Amino acid sequence: QQQVKQSPQSLIVQKGGISIINCAYENTAFDYFPWYQQFPGKGPALLIAIRPDVSEKKEGRFTISFNKSAKQFSLHIMDSQPGDSATYFCAASMDSGYSTLTFGKGTMLLVSP
Amino acid sequence: KAGVTQTPRYLIKTRGQQVTLSCSPISGHRSVSWYQQTPGQGLQFLFEYFSETQRNKGNFPGRFSGRQFSNSRSEMNVSTLELGDSALYLCASSLEQGLEQYFGPGTRLTVT
Repeated sequence: QQQVKQSPQSLIVQKGGISIINCAYENTAFDYFPWYQQFPGKGPALLIAIRPDVSEKKEGRFTISFNKSAKQFSLHIMDSQPGDSATYFCAASMDSGYSTLTFGKGTMLLVSP
Repeated sequence: KAGVTQTPRYLIKTRGQQVTLSCSPISGHRSVSWYQQTPGQGLQFLFEYFSETQRNKGNFPGRFSGRQFSNSRSEMNVSTLELGDSALYLCASSLEQGLEQYFGPGTRLTVT
């Protein structure tokens, strides 16, 4: 059973455009939702994270939007740059979950120059 | 601060052999988690250790095991390797109750 569903699998965006990646979760006990960025040959790097008590969190060009009632959250990358080309993973965890992350399948983003 | 380090970075083993992977967490981090990453299954949780105790375990066979030492360094072991064990094995560390996990570069294991 896939507890975190991520879409799309791949995404091509022009430089300067907005990249949007969506995730949906099933387990209502999840209360921490991070996004990770992974470049080839590297481990995932924590990008931004949100708790369900807020509907939006922004850090630089990266914004998480969270819809608790729909059990969905999304990552928006504004002014996308070629250097943002990477695989992005959403994840979910529980405060009582002893640091166990449940990941989405990932989205391969390509930002064309 | 130095990040999470994993050794070795690459490993080639034969079916039936066993392998031990090592992880050194960020200084001050006491929780270490292990994940398996494959193209088909994505990132899957293996187990998590805190203060030398396994606190949580994912849905993997008993061939996968791990341990944590008093300095928070951790090792994972896979016995009787199968072709399907070929994957990138990632270690992540976090503070005592921290949800923010920081990943190492991984160990790429190839089983032939």
